[in-house]
Amino acid sequence: EADIYQTPRYLVIGTGKKITLECSQTMGHDKMYWYQQDPGMELHLIHYSYGVNSTEKGDLSSESTVSRIRTEHFPLTLESARPSHTSQYLCASSEYQGTGELFFGEGSRLTVL
Amino acid sequence: AQSVAQPEDQVNVAEGNPLTVKCTYSVSGNPYLFWYVQYPNRGLQFLLKYITGDNLVKGSYGFEAEFNKSQTSFHLKKPSALVSDSALYFCAVLLTDSWGKFQFGAGTQVVVTP
Repeated sequence: EADIYQTPRYLVIGTGKKITLECSQTMGHDKMYWYQQDPGMELHLIHYSYGVNSTEKGDLSSESTVSRIRTEHFPLTLESARPSHTSQYLCASSEYQGTGELFFGEGSRLTVL
Repeated sequence: AQSVAQPEDQVNVAEGNPLTVKCTYSVSGNPYLFWYVQYPNRGLQFLLKYITGDNLVKGSYGFEAEFNKSQTSFHLKKPSALVSDSALYFCAVLLTDSWGKFQFGAGTQVVVTP
């Protein structure tokens, strides 16, 4: 089992609310990622980080923001949620060196009403 | 542009029959290829990867994949499918011109019937 955790697993909120999706890993991985995935569909990279204090936007434009203050923690924040943000958000990590595979969390399914 | 393609949206197979999920790639340089599986309402789980060496790679849960450079393919296979293999399967390539970004295929839904 991978040691990467996401909370909450499921979240239903109203439009305009601020939300933070938490992601933590205990493997000491430098690289971390956030993917957005609609049900049964492909993954889109929205944010990534290659270490503390580094964050980059991914291939899919997103209104969310991320921070990386500690190696193990990579939270994603939406300042004002909208129904278009309804999706599954997957956090992942990998080793900095070499060709290591991604380790994924269980995902956070967000529904904005 | 580097990419990976999964030509089948869905693969249907009877339990006990061989299972193949197709993946083709387009990369510059040596490809680093991966297969992941996703069960409903779960994250992705790593199955296997090809970095170098033997073209036949063995992975978790009895899966294997064959790297074919001339056909630029990396098909996932299992000799005898189980109902529990029903899931969404993703092929991915580690982009060689980046520090560690992966390009995922669109995914193939595998349905194994009893």
